[in-house]
Amino acid sequence: AQSVAQPEDQVNVAEGNPLTVKCTYSVSGNPYLFWYVQYPNRGLQFLLKYITGDNLVKGSYGFEAEFNKSQTSFHLKKPSALVSDSALYFCAVRVNTGGGNKLTFGTGTQLKVEL
Amino acid sequence: NAGVTQTPKFRILKIGQSMTLQCTQDMNHNYMYWYRQDPGMGLKLIYYSVGAGITDKGEVPNGYNVSRSTTEDFPLRLELAAPSQTSVYFCASSYSSATMGTQYFGPGTRLTVL
Repeated sequence: AQSVAQPEDQVNVAEGNPLTVKCTYSVSGNPYLFWYVQYPNRGLQFLLKYITGDNLVKGSYGFEAEFNKSQTSFHLKKPSALVSDSALYFCAVRVNTGGGNKLTFGTGTQLKVEL
Repeated sequence: NAGVTQTPKFRILKIGQSMTLQCTQDMNHNYMYWYRQDPGMGLKLIYYSVGAGITDKGEVPNGYNVSRSTTEDFPLRLELAAPSQTSVYFCASSYSSATMGTQYFGPGTRLTVL
């Protein structure tokens, strides 16, 4: 079965500093990996995805993620954090059984960026 | 485009009552999904649909039913509400695609069962 793990419930970073939100995955076959962000009282918004190709994926709002097959990781990164980046971040992986392009989500990491 | 819309935004139910959560998308997506989000648990898939007339169970389908009579609409039915169904419910839609269409989410319905 497919799964993702987000080992940190919360990440705190100072504005202007680089940020990393960690995600590891477990999947049979080739992984399709995603990052979504959720602002308070809103639905999830797509940030970026890895399907194939370059291991460094660039997404919305200056975020990027690095796919590392040997470490089965897909960490989300941003070179310089903004207070407005504070939100709940979810990693997800495609479910490879059945149809419908289903996703399995991690439990989420709360990012707090402080001045 | 309005994207994915959900109604109502909030609802309080008594145990044993029933209700339907509405979901509509105007992007002509053929795939639609219902999730529930509980604190610290991430999102769990309840039901999904790959097209009008076709639905299937997700990870946590017990206590829920769905139908998909049109491409646009994918309502979620709770027949006998229980406190365990207190949650935030999200509807999502996507294109079918070999390269994995992005899922677009609605704003959510916050349901409390007392």
